[in-house]
Amino acid sequence: NAGVMQNPRHLVRRRGQEARLRCSPMKGHSHVYWYRQLPEEGLKFMVYLQKENIIDESGMPKERFSAEFPKEGPSILRIQQVVRGDSAAYFCASSLRAMNTEAFFGQGTRLTVV
Amino acid sequence: QQQVKQSPQSLIVQKGGISIINCAYENTAFDYFPWYQQFPGKGPALLIAIRPDVSEKKEGRFTISFNKSAKQFSLHIMDSQPGDSATYFCAASFASNTGKLIFGQGTTLQVKP
Repeated sequence: NAGVMQNPRHLVRRRGQEARLRCSPMKGHSHVYWYRQLPEEGLKFMVYLQKENIIDESGMPKERFSAEFPKEGPSILRIQQVVRGDSAAYFCASSLRAMNTEAFFGQGTRLTVV
Repeated sequence: QQQVKQSPQSLIVQKGGISIINCAYENTAFDYFPWYQQFPGKGPALLIAIRPDVSEKKEGRFTISFNKSAKQFSLHIMDSQPGDSATYFCAASFASNTGKLIFGQGTTLQVKP
């Protein structure tokens, strides 16, 4: 049973471009969380999604960031018009049930904005 | 009120020694306290977790001590090994809510041979 799969592992974007980060949860998991880790810092919650629904987006920046988890396919974290401050590691975690806090993390996507 | 404060920021321990990492929280509504281990270039992996109705939980060489009245919890790694060298994060969540995790700032542990 494959774990949480994130791709790409590394992504380089120029300022102003769009970044799309993908997350395929563990098989059978329908709850996805996105976290951002800035260099030398802990992980910060961004958004919690269930299939086709955004449940909690309290950690998402108000502009340029969006997330979705469609009925079919991976969850996508989209960053429009990237800036240097968006450079970070973005981690996705999935869990089996609502309010099940045993969340399993992917290996992350390291975004570098040049 | 949703912060989790972790200390120390870095820790160096000799092989065979005890590594102790501390965390403190303010929000008494937190009801789930996990510890994660992260190796460079990898995602965090759940190490051990505790709920506030228990004062201590032990799994192998890893022990969580939980002090509800002081709103503090700590990770003890007994007989520390070089392979334990990693970054450790404490976290807290409202398990009965969305389950989102509030992480501490992390502790980089180096175990010297």
